Amino acid sequence: DADVTQTPRNRITKTGKRIMLECSQTKGHDRMYWYRQDPGLGLRLIYYSFDVKDINKGEISDGYSVSRQAQAKFSLSLESAIPNQTALYFCATSDSVRDSQETQYFGPGTRLLVL
Amino acid sequence: SQQGEEDPQALSIQEGENATMNCSYKTSINNLQWYRQNSGRGLVHLILIRSNEREKHSGRLRVTLDTSKKSSSLLITASRAADTASYFCATDSRGSNYKLTFGKGTLLTVNP
Repeated sequence: DADVTQTPRNRITKTGKRIMLECSQTKGHDRMYWYRQDPGLGLRLIYYSFDVKDINKGEISDGYSVSRQAQAKFSLSLESAIPNQTALYFCATSDSVRDSQETQYFGPGTRLLVL
Repeated sequence: SQQGEEDPQALSIQEGENATMNCSYKTSINNLQWYRQNSGRGLVHLILIRSNEREKHSGRLRVTLDTSKKSSSLLITASRAADTASYFCATDSRGSNYKLTFGKGTLLTVNP
């Protein structure tokens, strides 16, 4: 869905490097989420933000940080990347005002490889 | 922790057959959603069923929910090769403030 974009789409980095994954949305949604997907483990929530001034840890936040620069932008940073952070990362949005049932809309994903 | 667990992990059928996937969960929910993911791509919302609903239809999709058994099923009728994808259930648990917890998914392969 082009309404939620993620950059980069693919990234290879080395252990110890700091990297940032970016997410932008044009849906006007207030809520944004970062997930990681590992084979056989489904999606796990890293961080979520219910508005610009609200940041919350998810299930697996250690080693990650986020920034909600604007309602439309939510960035995920790996402060010092390690190989077990190799995964597929997804950004998602939802709208608490017009869609109280919390359907989420996903970006295309960022495939990250940490060597 | 995983709230939803899909069953089976993988399912292979022929085009035209029906596909049934199941999801079990552990805690009380506000609603349960099903999402589809084509290989390596983002998830796409398919259907949502509320805790006070027992069955819901959308095109070739039929979802049931049994809150007493804490389980849901997704039925895809008259399957097509294009239905090949992974299917995830996601639960919105009471008290979770509308965060979703996803299962591990069922990989459906529809053979032409």
